[in-house]
Amino acid sequence: QKEVEQDPGPLSVPEGAIVSLNCTYSNSAFQYFMWYRQYSRKGPELLMYTYSSGNKEDGRFTAQVDKSSKYISLFIRDSQPSDSATYLCAMSGDNQGGKLIFGQGTELSVKP
Amino acid sequence: GAVVSQHPSWVICKSGTSVKIECRSLDFQATTMFWYRQFPKQSLMLMATSNEGSKATYEQGVEKDKFLINHASLTLSTLTVTSAHPEDSSFYICSAGASSYQETQYFGPGTRLLVL
Repeated sequence: QKEVEQDPGPLSVPEGAIVSLNCTYSNSAFQYFMWYRQYSRKGPELLMYTYSSGNKEDGRFTAQVDKSSKYISLFIRDSQPSDSATYLCAMSGDNQGGKLIFGQGTELSVKP
Repeated sequence: GAVVSQHPSWVICKSGTSVKIECRSLDFQATTMFWYRQFPKQSLMLMATSNEGSKATYEQGVEKDKFLINHASLTLSTLTVTSAHPEDSSFYICSAGASSYQETQYFGPGTRLLVL
């Protein structure tokens, strides 16, 4: 079993839809949670960072962390064609030496 | 803030040659930098962790003599692919740890390497 599980998709939605992306993990020591967006042939771009459990909102993006269920989510409201990319969840803990553990990435396509 | 650059963005080389990729943190000091490799449609694979002024720590299965890493300053790390072969063709991405968000990494734009 992988430490971090993420549905690779692909996920296709119409413009304006609400997108829900999710990851589950097995290591209860994880407490730093991130979502990265990666466009084709580019490096990942940090979208959201959350420490421990809770919600965080930034514009159209909302990140949720439920440590009791070992489950994190990223919601995208009013999705746009420019949101088409691969979304990677990543997480870490104090015992990881700064390393991030990545999910497989979910490929999202927002159709106009 | 938290901008990381990589150079070159792409490189084509002949088999047997060595290729050096530079990774720079432009607006912050990075005591730790990371080197990843990514194949098409796959997630990032960590190759090594680089700390300024010390030897890099390589992940299991990564050849130290093949992928030489140097972290000479708080803003520069280099990856040298020695005696490159076609199977080394890949997308190489570096990242730098920033103190603004603990455990967060900021990524460079990546370097695409093609070995003929």
